[in-house]
Amino acid sequence: KNQVEQSPQSLIILEGKNCTLQCNYTVSPFSNLRWYKQDTGRGPVSLTIMTFSENTKSNGRYTATLDADTKQSSLHITASQLSDSASYICVVRGYGNNRLAFGKGNQVVVIP
Amino acid sequence: DGGITQSPKYLFRKEGQNVTLSCEQNLNHDAMYWYRQDPGQGLRLIYYSQIVNDFQKGDIAEGYSVSREKKESFPLTVTSAQKNPTAFYLCASITGQGNTGELFFGEGSRLTVL
Repeated sequence: KNQVEQSPQSLIILEGKNCTLQCNYTVSPFSNLRWYKQDTGRGPVSLTIMTFSENTKSNGRYTATLDADTKQSSLHITASQLSDSASYICVVRGYGNNRLAFGKGNQVVVIP
Repeated sequence: DGGITQSPKYLFRKEGQNVTLSCEQNLNHDAMYWYRQDPGQGLRLIYYSQIVNDFQKGDIAEGYSVSREKKESFPLTVTSAQKNPTAFYLCASITGQGNTGELFFGEGSRLTVL
């Protein structure tokens, strides 16, 4: 079973609307959680990184939340733009090692 | 600017040929990784290296080989033993210091076997 589960697998939203992506993980002990944006055919680019003690972090129109007790994170996209069309990947790092657990990604399509 | 450079971006290969994908970083990172990405799947770890002259197999190492002779370089060879090599390959690096080290990815190399 994958240690990082993301939902929904894909979604289509209208330009200007908000959406929320979910990431549940089982990695333990936990070190940090990252959200990445990956455009088609490109490498992933970091949006946010959150450690155990942080429960919210923003990067422009992207806001990530973390509940380390329930092992859940969300990425909220505000006022979506066409350029937000991409795959959003949740990556969890365990404490004390450099192994990383990847979700399969949330595929977001923004339509005009 | 610091970053990770992968080359080539696109590569075509005939069955039975070995190919080598290049990954160079100037971030002074200790750890480097190779991942394979297939449609609808998450990134899968092929090999990783925590330090020069040392590397470990990841989850899908069969049919692949690597070397880490320099801190900056971590090339991946896709051998003819890899049964399904057509995929998007991503190289990444991370500082080994602390738990919040930033993970950087290259732009990827797309390998197509004809």
